[in-house]
Amino acid sequence: GENVEQHPSTLSVQEGDSAVIKCTYSDSASNYFPWYKQELGKRPQLIIDIRSNVGEKKDQRIAVTLNKTAKHFSLHITETQPEDSAVYFCAASTRGSTLGRLYFGRGTQLTVWP
Amino acid sequence: EAGVAQSPRYKIIEKRQSVAFWCNPISGHATLYWYQQILGQGPKLLIQFQNNGVVDDSQLPKDRFSAERLKGVDSTLKIQPAKLEDSAVYLCASSIGTGTTYEQYFGPGTRLTVT
Repeated sequence: GENVEQHPSTLSVQEGDSAVIKCTYSDSASNYFPWYKQELGKRPQLIIDIRSNVGEKKDQRIAVTLNKTAKHFSLHITETQPEDSAVYFCAASTRGSTLGRLYFGRGTQLTVWP
Repeated sequence: EAGVAQSPRYKIIEKRQSVAFWCNPISGHATLYWYQQILGQGPKLLIQFQNNGVVDDSQLPKDRFSAERLKGVDSTLKIQPAKLEDSAVYLCASSIGTGTTYEQYFGPGTRLTVT
């Protein structure tokens, strides 16, 4: 099955700086890549996603890029704020639009210092 | 709209005991997922239902785990008997349909501790 690797496992940045989290996947058939944010003790929430027919997607301070050839995708957060502190998970779907099964990375603990 | 509901929120049991978790998906959502999230890891899919039928249970340890979704709405996940390595957060999620077109909405989870 699909294998998703996520780096780094922890990331500390100063408020206002940018944060980048990177993920790689193994199955070239994967074509859907969502990112989830999970605050301490809370449920994961979808913050942005990208499909393999798109190279980049942006939503305010958050952007995701996808390199299908290299099989990696990244989350970029600009102008970070303390409320961005959370665990971020990347995921990939290896079944395309058939079943929607998601394979998650191990997560990145982002800490934004004021 | 109301979100995905789960109960209990916390459960502590001894190994070899049994435990059951309950999930009520968002109204109208046909697809329901159970994930296991071990501390420090991402969620791992255990089982996926489309209405009341199982579409993917390849990662479910069937010797001890079982799940059902009677009437295609609520779902129950059971562990019998529990092992120490079952300590985790069990997340239920639902989506309108099956496939990557549809966002998965997660419940708050049930934190299980097996001692």
